Amino acid sequence: LAKTTQPISMDSYEGQEVNITCSHNNIATNDYITWYQQFPSQGPRFIIQGYKTKVTNEVASLFIPADRKSSTLSLPRVSLSDTAVYYCLVGDMNTGFQKLVFGTGTRLLVSP
Amino acid sequence: NAGVTQTPKFQVLKTGQSMTLQCAQDMNHNSMYWYRQDPGMGLRLIYYSASEGTTDKGEVPNGYNVSRLNKREFSLRLESAAPSQTSVYFCASLKGYEQYFGPGTRLTVT
Repeated sequence: LAKTTQPISMDSYEGQEVNITCSHNNIATNDYITWYQQFPSQGPRFIIQGYKTKVTNEVASLFIPADRKSSTLSLPRVSLSDTAVYYCLVGDMNTGFQKLVFGTGTRLLVSP
Repeated sequence: NAGVTQTPKFQVLKTGQSMTLQCAQDMNHNSMYWYRQDPGMGLRLIYYSASEGTTDKGEVPNGYNVSRLNKREFSLRLESAAPSQTSVYFCASLKGYEQYFGPGTRLTVT
């Protein structure tokens, strides 16, 4: 299983762009990268998933360099409601992500 | 379509008591999971079930048992609760690469 490393916490202000980088040096060929968001007292919620290059959806962008040893979640123009914990996960979709490891995540605090 | 449901939402047990946490999903997903989350920590996988009739251990299975009753339901049992099992328990199901989580059960063991 590819282990992931993320910053423990980040601070930002409303309207700024936030980039959270995750390191996964031993990522395997079949592994996909997935990001989840968790608000207090709720279960995690899927944000975005990618394999390589760049993926964008209505919520965020995911940048993955060619060596895939890291990935960066980009949140454009954050608001107070983006204050949450963000988890980076790496897993093999072919085996159904059977043993996904969440880690401690990055606690993002957005201030006015 | 309720997604993933969990019961109960809150529970207080005395040390040594037993209980079963219930989880059900109505999305026809094959894989289901049980996680625990301690305060300020990430989620740790207790058990998972790749399909109906199969279960396997995760990172922290000791003190727990599971049953995949059918495709919809995946229960987690604590046979003899200990204070170290005080935590929030999340159930999830998987479609493709996306896990869908329930609202959680907050368990306190005194």
